[in-house]
Amino acid sequence: AQRVTQPEKLLSVFKGAPVELKCNYSYSGSPELFWYVQYSRQRLQLLLRHISRESIKGFTADLNKGETSFHLKKPFAQEEDSAMYYCAPAKGGKLIFGQGTELSVKP
Amino acid sequence: EAQVTQNPRYLITVTGKKLTVTCSQNMNHEYMSWYRQDPGLGLRQIYYSMNVEVTDKGDVPEGYKVSRKEKRNFPLILESPSPNQTSLYFCASSRGRVTFGTDTQYFGPGTRLTVL
Repeated sequence: AQRVTQPEKLLSVFKGAPVELKCNYSYSGSPELFWYVQYSRQRLQLLLRHISRESIKGFTADLNKGETSFHLKKPFAQEEDSAMYYCAPAKGGKLIFGQGTELSVKP
Repeated sequence: EAQVTQNPRYLITVTGKKLTVTCSQNMNHEYMSWYRQDPGLGLRQIYYSMNVEVTDKGDVPEGYKVSRKEKRNFPLILESPSPNQTSLYFCASSRGRVTFGTDTQYFGPGTRLTVL
């Protein structure tokens, strides 16, 4: 069965600390992989996608096919990074979201 | 302004009273989708549509209907709502199939539904 797991419901770090939000997926074949973010009182929006190999707002995500993981990383967290983050593999028209990790960056 | 709109934004209703949540996009997107967001469960896809008159079930379609008669609109219909459908609902659209990997999904503001 297709499944995506974000093991941490809440991740709390101090400003300037590195942050890693974990995502593991269980899919047959190779899904496309995305990270979405929802800031307080805002709409869900795309943060980054694997196929673009991009870095957005200092975040990067590396696909590890062996571990089937797509962890989101940032070397120095900022207070404005506080938000809900969703890992989302997609295949065949279906986008499946993880349960989400709430990132709280303290001053 | 390119956007996805949903109406109503908030709705309180009673069990069994049919309701429709509208979703409209002005970006000429082919792909549209409905999700529900519940605490601890994240977002779960209800239905999606690849194009006009083409719809398919997501992961949690039971109790919901959709239609796609026009490209811009994708209403979500609850024929006989029940309390377990109390949730936050999001509509989304993208230029093409989301699995192309290059198609960003644009989300609506959400509709908070309470079924008593």
